[in-house]
Amino acid sequence: NAGVMQNPRHLVRRRGQEARLRCSPMKGHSHVYWYRQLPEEGLKFMVYLQKENIIDESGMPKERFSAEFPKEGPSILRIQQVVRGDSAAYFCASSQVGQGKNEQFFGPGTRLTVL
Amino acid sequence: AQSVTQLGSHVSVSEGALVLLRCNYSSSVPPYLFWYVQYPNQGLQLLLKYTTGATLVKGINGFEAEFKKSETSFHLTKPSAHMSDAAEYFCAVSESTGFQKLVFGTGTRLLVSP
Repeated sequence: NAGVMQNPRHLVRRRGQEARLRCSPMKGHSHVYWYRQLPEEGLKFMVYLQKENIIDESGMPKERFSAEFPKEGPSILRIQQVVRGDSAAYFCASSQVGQGKNEQFFGPGTRLTVL
Repeated sequence: AQSVTQLGSHVSVSEGALVLLRCNYSSSVPPYLFWYVQYPNQGLQLLLKYTTGATLVKGINGFEAEFKKSETSFHLTKPSAHMSDAAEYFCAVSESTGFQKLVFGTGTRLLVSP
C-alpha cells in the first residue's frame, strides 16, 4: 500500500520561472493538505483540498500560488514567477476524512530551490 | 486562533537517558494534539496523538505524552533514549470542530550522544 507520493523530490528553478509540485494521496484518501517548511522553521499550513474543491486556502499567499485537486490525477501546487523567498520544502499530506482527529499521512516533500 | 510553543530548539541527551520535549498549546476549542517526528530529508511520521479519553497517550518507539488541560501542555517523553531517536520533533494542534488544519510548533531537534 503505497504512501503519499510527491514529485519531484528536488526542484531547481530560476527567478521568474514556474514551479509545479505534484502530490498523489494514499489510496482511498480524498483529502489533501499542502504545507510549507522554511529553513529552521516548522510547517505552515497552506491549503486544504478535496476532489475538485478548495476547502480552506487561508495559508496561501495571495499572489502567484495556486492549488488544485482534479477529479483524476494528482494534486498540483503551482507557483508562478518564483522568487528566492519561495525556496523551501513543500509537504503534501492526505487523510481519509477531514475531521480534526484523523491522522494526516505526509509525503517525503519537494525541496524547491530558487536561484 | 491556535498556536503551539515548543521550548528549546535543541535538546541533547545521552543514550539511555530520559527524553523530555516540551509542548504548550493555545486553543479556543478543545484541541486535538499530535507529535510528529522528521528524519533528515524525509517527511513527517506520526508518533502519537490525543483526541479524547485517556490523557496519557502511548505511541510508537516507546514514546508517550500526557495531555494536561490545566497546564495547556502535551509534553513528549521516553524513558531511555536510543541513538536512533535523533531527529526533529514537531508538536501540532488541530481543532476538534470544523475542518482539519494542523498548526505546528517550530520543532525541537533531539541530539543523542553515546
